[in-house]
Amino acid sequence: SQKIEQNSEALNIQEGKTATLTCNYTNYSPAYLQWYRQDPGRGPVFLLLIRENEKEKRKERLKVTFDTTLKQSLFHITASQPADSATYLCALAGYKLSFGAGTTVTVRA
Amino acid sequence: DTAVSQTPKYLVTQMGNDKSIKCEQNLGHDTMYWYKQDSKKFLKIMFSYNNKELIINETVPNRFSPKSPDKAHLNLHINSLELGDSAVYFCASSQDRGDADGNEQFFGPGTRLTVL
Repeated sequence: SQKIEQNSEALNIQEGKTATLTCNYTNYSPAYLQWYRQDPGRGPVFLLLIRENEKEKRKERLKVTFDTTLKQSLFHITASQPADSATYLCALAGYKLSFGAGTTVTVRA
Repeated sequence: DTAVSQTPKYLVTQMGNDKSIKCEQNLGHDTMYWYKQDSKKFLKIMFSYNNKELIINETVPNRFSPKSPDKAHLNLHINSLELGDSAVYFCASSQDRGDADGNEQFFGPGTRLTVL
């Protein structure tokens, strides 16, 4: 069966450090993968998209990698700030978006 | 201006009632969606409409019926509400269909439905 797993449910890090989130999937062949941010009580907000033929994508302090052989995407937040505290969702794209359960990141000042 | 709006934000109702949630997008997008996010935070697609045509209908009880009067609106009507329907429901929109490239989705603020 198809499965999307994001690493730990929660990740606590010190301000200034790099947060690394993992998204693993099985029995999917996504053409591309997206990452969203969700704050409590709000809808998800799109952050980045990476295509299957792209190895890496960057946007400001965010970096995403996509390894279709390992069936894994890594999401990095560099120089993290307390304002980065949120839940981050990966989503695999086919005829629909299939979301992981998310990883909640807490950045301590 | 809010890109994707939903009403109401909170909905508390008794089992067996019928209720509707409304969604509107002012982005000029062709595709709209309904998602359900349960207590474990999994976000699962329920329905998708492209230019008022139903294109995705996941395994959802018949008690749930989407209606798209025009491209900018997608409403969700739920009959005979059950306890298990309690969740947060999100509306979303995108420029293209789900199988198109770069299908960034814009989500509404969500409607928290509580069935007592």
